[in-house]
Amino acid sequence: SYELTQPLSVSVALGQTATITCRGDNIGSKNVHWYQQKPGQAPVLVIYTNNNRPSGIPERFSGSNSGNTATLTISRAEAGDEADYSCQVWDSSSVIFGGGTKLTVL
Amino acid sequence: QVQLVESGGGVVQPGRSLRLSCAASGFTFSSYAIHWVRQAPGKGLEWVALISYAGTTKYNIDSVKGRFTISRDNSKDTMSLQMNSLRAEDTAVYYCARDSYSGSYFGYFDYWGQGTLVTVSS
Repeated sequence: SYELTQPLSVSVALGQTATITCRGDNIGSKNVHWYQQKPGQAPVLVIYTNNNRPSGIPERFSGSNSGNTATLTISRAEAGDEADYSCQVWDSSSVIFGGGTKLTVL
Repeated sequence: QVQLVESGGGVVQPGRSLRLSCAASGFTFSSYAIHWVRQAPGKGLEWVALISYAGTTKYNIDSVKGRFTISRDNSKDTMSLQMNSLRAEDTAVYYCARDSYSGSYFGYFDYWGQGTLVTVSS
């Protein structure tokens, strides 16, 4: 079965750029979506179809996808960006989530 | 505005059953596939099941096959997850989420409910 691998944790200094990766076999051939989840809250879509931002998501959030790695980039990190981030793809008739990455803003 | 509201969670003994519901509003419910996604305590998101907009196509993960049944009533803008033979490992917050693709699926989850907690314990 298809697997997505994310780092357990990423730290970023306030105002700097955070990069969260999502690795999967030939993931570049799939559409990757990213969700942000804060404690006690439901997930929120932050990037869809590799590099598109839903309405209301700051331009500081961007995505890319190529080869075996998809990347979520958060520029000018803010304290409010501290959350868990999960990538998602479809594989055949199943939805696959990455294990999630906890972003800490220092 | 689009809203999804789950209900039906609670504490249940192993082997027993529980029925979760998801009530939708603010959009044409009959045009969208709906998913169930769960999250065990301290763990990541796990997709559980999908039902297509017309209810004619259903997919789920292997670990719930034969135990969980997804259904929907487009006349009432609701969908359900009947969970039988519950196990400790089914303990999680269960979210319903809308698939972004009207008239299809294979999309992303653009709206989520607030979740309902299911605890399977003796």
